[in-house]
Amino acid sequence: GAGVSQTPSNKVTEKGKYVELRCDPISGHTALYWYRQSLGQGPEFLIYFQGTGAADDSGLPNDRFFAVRPEGSVSTLKIQRTERGDSAVYLCASSLSSGLSSYNEQFFGPGTRLTVL
Amino acid sequence: GDSVTQMEGPVTLSEEAFLTINCTYTATGYPSLFWYVQYPGEGLQLLLKATKADDKGSNKGFEATYRKETTSFHLEKGSVQVSDSAVYFCALRDASGTYKYIFGTGTRLKVLA
Repeated sequence: GAGVSQTPSNKVTEKGKYVELRCDPISGHTALYWYRQSLGQGPEFLIYFQGTGAADDSGLPNDRFFAVRPEGSVSTLKIQRTERGDSAVYLCASSLSSGLSSYNEQFFGPGTRLTVL
Repeated sequence: GDSVTQMEGPVTLSEEAFLTINCTYTATGYPSLFWYVQYPGEGLQLLLKATKADDKGSNKGFEATYRKETTSFHLEKGSVQVSDSAVYFCALRDASGTYKYIFGTGTRLKVLA
C-alpha cells in the first residue's frame, strides 16, 4: 500500500512569506507527527496529533508555526512570516496509534525541503 | 529530558571492514530504541529496532543490542559494502505521553571500494 506522502517535495520562498506543507498519512493511521530536520542534524519533534486534535505541540518553535488535521487524516503545517532560519526538511510520520505497542512504529514520509531566501 | 548521543562522523571504511557506530541514550522509563538509515536523496528508513532490555535488533547484516546497564544501542556490521554508504540515526521512542521519537545527530558512513 501507499506510504506517507508529502507535498511539495521542495518549496522555495522569500523571507516574510507564508507557506503550507501537506502530509498524507498511511490510510487508517490515527497518530501523526511532524519533525524538522536541519542540515547536519537529526529530526526534531514539532507536533503530534491523535485523531483531529493536537495532543502535544511542545516542539513548535514559536507562534509562527501552526498545524491542523481537521478530518483526522491529512495534516497541514503552516508557517507564517518565514525566516531564513526556518530552512530545513520538514518530515511527517504516521503510526496506527500511539502507545508502547510495537505495532505503533512510525513510518516517515520523504519530507519537504523548505528554503527561505 | 530524554536525549540520544551518537558518535560523530564521517566514518570512512574500506569494503568488508567491520563497522561500529556508538549510540548512548538518557531516558526516563523504558524507551524503545531504533536505528534509521537515510540513503542519499531518500527519506528515513527503519533499519532495526529493540523494544526492551537485552533485545537484539537485526536487519541486512546490521545488529544492535539494547543494553540497559550501559544505556547503549551500538550499531554493528561485520562486513560493510559500498551500498551501505548513508547517514545512520539512532533514536528512542518516548516511553510515555506522546511517544515521539528523539533522534541523535546522525553519523555519515562512507564505504570505499
